[in-house]
Amino acid sequence: QVQLQEAGPGLVKPSETLSLTCTVSGGSMNSYYWSWIRQPPGKGLEYIGYIHNSGSTNYNPSLKSRVTISVDTSKNQFSLKLRSVTAADTAVYYCARDPWGSSFPWGQGTLVTVSS
Amino acid sequence: DVVMTQSPLSLPVTLGQPASISCRSSQSLVYSDGNTYLNWFQQRPGQSPRRLIYKVSNRDSGVPDRFSGSGSGTDFTLKISRVEAEDVGVYYCMQATHWLWTFGQGTKVEIK
Repeated sequence: QVQLQEAGPGLVKPSETLSLTCTVSGGSMNSYYWSWIRQPPGKGLEYIGYIHNSGSTNYNPSLKSRVTISVDTSKNQFSLKLRSVTAADTAVYYCARDPWGSSFPWGQGTLVTVSS
Repeated sequence: DVVMTQSPLSLPVTLGQPASISCRSSQSLVYSDGNTYLNWFQQRPGQSPRRLIYKVSNRDSGVPDRFSGSGSGTDFTLKISRVEAEDVGVYYCMQATHWLWTFGQGTKVEIK
């Protein structure tokens, strides 16, 4: 059974870069799309973007200028970088696999607070 | 972007009674492969979202059969046949047909 786990700093200063890594265990990353999703406290869910194991990406247009998602299949990991963060980027960040199949594993989520 | 509109946004229910949540999309969710990529999620208080239903009406593994999904095109429904205490939480529909994949606003289910 595939499991995902997010890791990264829980506190980031305004204007700096948020960096998170998702480690995939229990299965291969090949032939799947890997996503980042976020949820501000008390609010709804928003897709940030996804990456295929081949390296192709697609990003939320509202975040595209600040986001980079990358993959390292040798480590079974994919990563998120969000630049120039503000308080509006405070959220629980989830990593997940693609949403189309009979299994849709998510990480447990990690809260990232943007504050000085 | 495809806008997903849920109703109601708040749903007080009596234990043992049925409940129904509607989700409408701003455009058809039928993909070129013929599938409709409409998912339903449950988020219990303090927990991560958990998918209940995929491709409109398929239950995920371990999901009780009191949960069912139906619909087509732009109109979809999640039904709980008999609400139990553990069903309290926020329910989201989500489309994965058109990028940017998008969620509804959420429907909060609570016990009367």
